[in-house]
Amino acid sequence: GQNIDQPTEMTATEGAIVQINCTYQTSGFNGLFWYQQHAGEAPTFLSYNVLDGLEEKGRFSSFLSRSKGYSYLLLKELQMKDSASYLCATDNDYKLSFGAGTTVTVRA
Amino acid sequence: IAGITQAPTSQILAAGRRMTLRCTQDMRHNAMYWYRQDLGLGLRLIHYSNTAGTTGKGEVPDGYSVSRANTDDFPLTLASAVPSQTSVYFCASSDSPGSGANVLTFGAGSRLTVL
Repeated sequence: GQNIDQPTEMTATEGAIVQINCTYQTSGFNGLFWYQQHAGEAPTFLSYNVLDGLEEKGRFSSFLSRSKGYSYLLLKELQMKDSASYLCATDNDYKLSFGAGTTVTVRA
Repeated sequence: IAGITQAPTSQILAAGRRMTLRCTQDMRHNAMYWYRQDLGLGLRLIHYSNTAGTTGKGEVPDGYSVSRANTDDFPLTLASAVPSQTSVYFCASSDSPGSGANVLTFGAGSRLTVL
């Protein structure tokens, strides 16, 4: 199986920055994904990294270090609507394995 | 609107009963997946299908079966439901695993309670 670790919960203030870390141990690595899931809804795709480095997409950025088995998702200029669970997932032989998710609460 | 349709949305089921969760996609994606999501455990893969006519076992396949008779449909069957199968079940699809990013599109989920 795959081993993916991420913090359970994080809290931040509206307008601030939050960084969600994810560490993983896997074989057959084909990339790392971040998904956003609002309570009671389906997960939706946020970002994909297959090479080392930073991928920026608007207020969200994702970083990958394959040698360290490490990724982070950076959420900037936090908005109340960013309150959700953020799921780290590794692509192993073209099947995704998910971490338990990090619940981010944005406070006014 | 293109996407994945799951049914039922929610179901309460007596232990020992047979149940089929339905999943249909209209995006002509090759691959389809079934995950269950439990608090503190995240999404775990039950079964998958890379193309119509083929299926494979995921991380937690016991007690579940699937079929993929065509591209669009991927039903999940619980032959004899047990309380530990109480969960939220998500169906997902992806275009072409092995060809670029394997981005999954998820259905809205089916909440199943087994008593």
